[in-house]
Amino acid sequence: GQNIDQPTEMTATEGAIVQINCTYQTSGFNGLFWYQQHAGEAPTFLSYNVLDGLEEKGRFSSFLSRSKGYSYLLLKELQMKDSASYLCAVPFSGGYNKLIFGAGTRLAVHP
Amino acid sequence: EAGVTQFPSHSVIEKGQTVTLRCDPISGHDNLYWYRRVMGKEIKFLLHFVKESKQDESGMPNNRFLAERTGGTYSTLKVQPAELEDSGVYFCASSQDQITDTQYFGPGTRLTVL
Repeated sequence: GQNIDQPTEMTATEGAIVQINCTYQTSGFNGLFWYQQHAGEAPTFLSYNVLDGLEEKGRFSSFLSRSKGYSYLLLKELQMKDSASYLCAVPFSGGYNKLIFGAGTRLAVHP
Repeated sequence: EAGVTQFPSHSVIEKGQTVTLRCDPISGHDNLYWYRRVMGKEIKFLLHFVKESKQDESGMPNNRFLAERTGGTYSTLKVQPAELEDSGVYFCASSQDQITDTQYFGPGTRLTVL
């Protein structure tokens, strides 16, 4: 089967850097997605990693290590609007694209 | 470009009643997915359409749930009769291509069964 683990909650200070970790177990691997979800809104696509290494997109970066089954999302220069849930997801390894989600990490940014 | 839309945003019904949720995917997206998040749990896959065909319905909880996508455009998800455990947020997502293509999500329908 497939399993994804991420911390339930994190807190950080405005202007700081926070790293949200995600570990996964899967029999096959077709990449890893990160989504951001504000309360009551749609999950919004942040990043997709399929190769090892760090991918940077402005204040957000995502890292993947396939050998370790590990990814993280790095948020820099935190802003209050970054308070949200961050969802780690992998496509099902059985050949279709249904996503298997972690429970999400709820990030609270404080002044 | 309009995103994925869902209707209604909220629905409160009594146990035993019927509810129909609607999803309009991004125009041109052949792939349409339904997911559900029950309180305190992760988002879970329900089913996947490619155009009007059901590609994968392995996540559908039971035969009280019926999904359709007539004409390969919008989709409906009917729950009949609704039970208390059906409460949750139902998300729809769409993507252009099937394999590892980014899925774009709608805002969800929050269903409460009393």
